[in-house]
Amino acid sequence: AQKVTQAQTEISVVEKEDVTLDCVYETRDTTYYLFWYKQPPSGELVFLIRRNSFDEQNEISGRYSWNFQKSTSSFNFTITASQVVDSAVYFCALSEARGNEKLTFGTGTRLTIIP
Amino acid sequence: ETGVTQSPTHLIKTRGQQVTLRCSSQSGHNTVSWYQQALGQGPQFIFQYYREEENGRGNFPPRFSGLQFPNYSSELNVNALELDDSALYLCASSHWDVPSYEQYFGPGTRLTVT
Repeated sequence: AQKVTQAQTEISVVEKEDVTLDCVYETRDTTYYLFWYKQPPSGELVFLIRRNSFDEQNEISGRYSWNFQKSTSSFNFTITASQVVDSAVYFCALSEARGNEKLTFGTGTRLTIIP
Repeated sequence: ETGVTQSPTHLIKTRGQQVTLRCSSQSGHNTVSWYQQALGQGPQFIFQYYREEENGRGNFPPRFSGLQFPNYSSELNVNALELDDSALYLCASSHWDVPSYEQYFGPGTRLTVT
């Protein structure tokens, strides 16, 4: 069975600080996909990144970066120089096989950026 | 390109009633998935529809049912509503045959059962 754990329920940081959101996953499949979604107060889930199990390269996109480590089953997300607009709930998710099938989400981390 | 839309935005129902939620998939997408998100929780997969047939189901009772139409839009029906059905219901669309593997979510329908 698949499982995603986001141990950090809530995080608050002062604007411009860096912050890392942790994600640990469990799956018995060798092919799987990992995702991060952002959910602002409006409720809509906004896609941030997808990573497949065969690609362990870290990725950087502007102020966002992701660290995928299969050895520890972790897919952590770092925001550099945080901004107030980054305040939201962030979800890590896992999908087996094709990647566009069932998503298993973690419980989310509520990030608050203090101006 | 039109995104995923859902209707209604909010809904209040009484325990025991039935409800229908609607979703229009993003242009070009042929797969629709439904998720239930209780307050303070992550979304839980209800089911997915592809080619008008159920293509995977999560741990939800049969009173949760769905339909997909030829234009790929979809409905989620919930019978005999219970208080625990109060949640945000999210619809997501994707293209089964295109290896983009991204599901695009709609804004959700917030259902309150009293």
